[in-house]
Amino acid sequence: GENVEQHPSTLSVQEGDSAVIKCTYSDSASNYFPWYKQELGKRPQLIIDIRSNVGEKKDQRIAVTLNKTAKHFSLHITETQPEDSAVYFCAASMGRGKTGANNLFFGTGTRLTVIP
Amino acid sequence: SAVISQKPSRDICQRGTSLTIQCQVDSQVTMMFWYRQQPGQSLTLIATANQGSEATYESGFVIDKFPISRPNLTFSTLTVSNMSPEDSSIYLCSVGSTRETQYFGPGTRLLVL
Repeated sequence: GENVEQHPSTLSVQEGDSAVIKCTYSDSASNYFPWYKQELGKRPQLIIDIRSNVGEKKDQRIAVTLNKTAKHFSLHITETQPEDSAVYFCAASMGRGKTGANNLFFGTGTRLTVIP
Repeated sequence: SAVISQKPSRDICQRGTSLTIQCQVDSQVTMMFWYRQQPGQSLTLIATANQGSEATYESGFVIDKFPISRPNLTFSTLTVSNMSPEDSSIYLCSVGSTRETQYFGPGTRLLVL
């Protein structure tokens, strides 16, 4: 099955700086890559996703890049704010088309702390 | 996106007992999944809940331990059977529709003593 690795496990940045979280995946058939933010005691919230037919996607201060050849994708948060502090999870799936293809395989998570 | 609720939100159970967790969605969805999140850990898929047929379990999870029902397109249950302290986790359902995107319920926090 798919194996998703995520780095770093913890990340501290000063407010206003940028944060980058990186993930790699093992199965070249994976074609959908969401990122979830989980605040303490809350459910994972989808913040951005990217499909394999694009290399980059941006939504305000958040961007995701995908390198299919190298099988890695990254989350970039610019102008970080204290409310960005949370655990971030990357995930990968093979999307629709066959049984089990929608299964999400999660990375191990990154605890981001934004220091005011 | 759909509004997803789970019951109970938390419970404390004795070892050897069973707990059934409910997941309710306010609209029909194609896909429903059950995940486990152990304390401080990532999310692990338990199974895909299939409407009208047996659930599809991931490696390491079996129907006898985690029976799942999905009687319609808005509701599913997960039972954690014959519980032990190792089953203490957060159990989350997620839903998806016509695309790959999944949205999570609020989770059920289970403590087994």
